[in-house]
Amino acid sequence: EADIYQTPRYLVIGTGKKITLECSQTMGHDKMYWYQQDPGMELHLIHYSYGVNSTEKGDLSSESTVSRIRTEHFPLTLESARPSHTSQYLCASSEFGTGNRGYTFGSGTRLTVV
Amino acid sequence: GESVGLHLPTLSVQEGDNSIINCAYSNSASDYFIWYKQESGKGPQFIIDIRSNMDKRQGQRVTVLLNKTVKHLSLQIAATQPGDSAVYFCAEEKNQGGKLIFGQGTELSVKP
Repeated sequence: EADIYQTPRYLVIGTGKKITLECSQTMGHDKMYWYQQDPGMELHLIHYSYGVNSTEKGDLSSESTVSRIRTEHFPLTLESARPSHTSQYLCASSEFGTGNRGYTFGSGTRLTVV
Repeated sequence: GESVGLHLPTLSVQEGDNSIINCAYSNSASDYFIWYKQESGKGPQFIIDIRSNMDKRQGQRVTVLLNKTVKHLSLQIAATQPGDSAVYFCAEEKNQGGKLIFGQGTELSVKP
């Protein structure tokens, strides 16, 4: 079983609302990631962190922001949600560099902005 | 830009047959590759990995083959079962920094 948890699993929210997607892991991994994925499509990296107080933007431009105040917690925030933000958001963590099987993913948050 | 892509968006096989899912990668410097399985409504799950110093690795019912000459990766599933129905992604490690590049998935459907 994965030790990385995302909440909520599903969220329907109105345009203009501020939302925070939660992601927590209990594995002590330094590296954490946020991916955006449309149904059946490839994963696009939008944010990553290599440790506390370290955050970087990913390959896909995103209007979201992230923070990493604690090792186990990597929340993603949208200040003003828009319909174009409708997608699935996947959080992952890793102990990369040790050949340790890549990422462990959470179950995702499916966001719908109406 | 760099990408990891799969040749077929869908693959349909009969239960009990072997499945082969292919992937082409573009970064010859990548040295670590992973196959993930994603079932509907779930996050991707690790299946098997391989380092570039190997050309074959076997797991339980799965085998990954790596051909560095043509930058090709494949996943073989033996005796495919209905529970194998999912979208399969290959991924490569970029710059040894822990960032994975994912390709487009292949949706595997298993007919009973």
